[in-house]
Amino acid sequence: KAGVTQTPRYLIKTRGQQVTLSCSPISGHRSVSWYQQTPGQGLQFLFEYFSETQRNKGNFPGRFSGRQFSNSRSEMNVSTLELGDSALYLCASSLSGPPNTEAFFGQGTRLTVV
Amino acid sequence: EDQVTQSPEALRLQEGESSSLNCSYTVSGLRGLFWYRQDPGKGPEFLFTLYSAGEEKEKERLKATLTKKESFLHITAPKPEDSATYLCAVQAWGQNFVFGPGTRLSVLP
Repeated sequence: KAGVTQTPRYLIKTRGQQVTLSCSPISGHRSVSWYQQTPGQGLQFLFEYFSETQRNKGNFPGRFSGRQFSNSRSEMNVSTLELGDSALYLCASSLSGPPNTEAFFGQGTRLTVV
Repeated sequence: EDQVTQSPEALRLQEGESSSLNCSYTVSGLRGLFWYRQDPGKGPEFLFTLYSAGEEKEKERLKATLTKKESFLHITAPKPEDSATYLCAVQAWGQNFVFGPGTRLSVLP
């Protein structure tokens, strides 16, 4: 059974650009959550999608957005990149999301903004 | 506001030297407490879910326990391959995970 797949693994972008990250959840999983991980702030929740609808959102600016497709694949977009957006972006999938079941993480996308 | 703290921040053990990691939490209506292991440059790997005070779960050299205010991850006779960052997360009903900062464990041969 394939795990959670995130692409690309690494990205280097320039300040002011935008970026799109992709996440393919485990087959059959309908909930996808996104997290930002930095050395200073740890793992912080961005948003969660279930059946193409955003169900929950963390405390991030509107430059961070996401969507989910009918096959449960999800993308997140960051516009007008800032140096502080450099981080490991992690996607987690679960069968139905909170309040049920464990979440399984992908390997992450390492974004570097220069 | 839901909060999770973990101690110690870093821990160095000799191979075979047992110890415990602590996760203290404040949450309104705990639905579950989760332990993950994260290796450098990789996503967190699921270890355990605990749902109620008094619950215990074991996996190989790891044992997780839960009280009303904290959880412990006990590591018995660790090996170098147990070196990783161990993350604790809580989930309130209807909410997403809130993660702690993690404990970096190094097991020396």
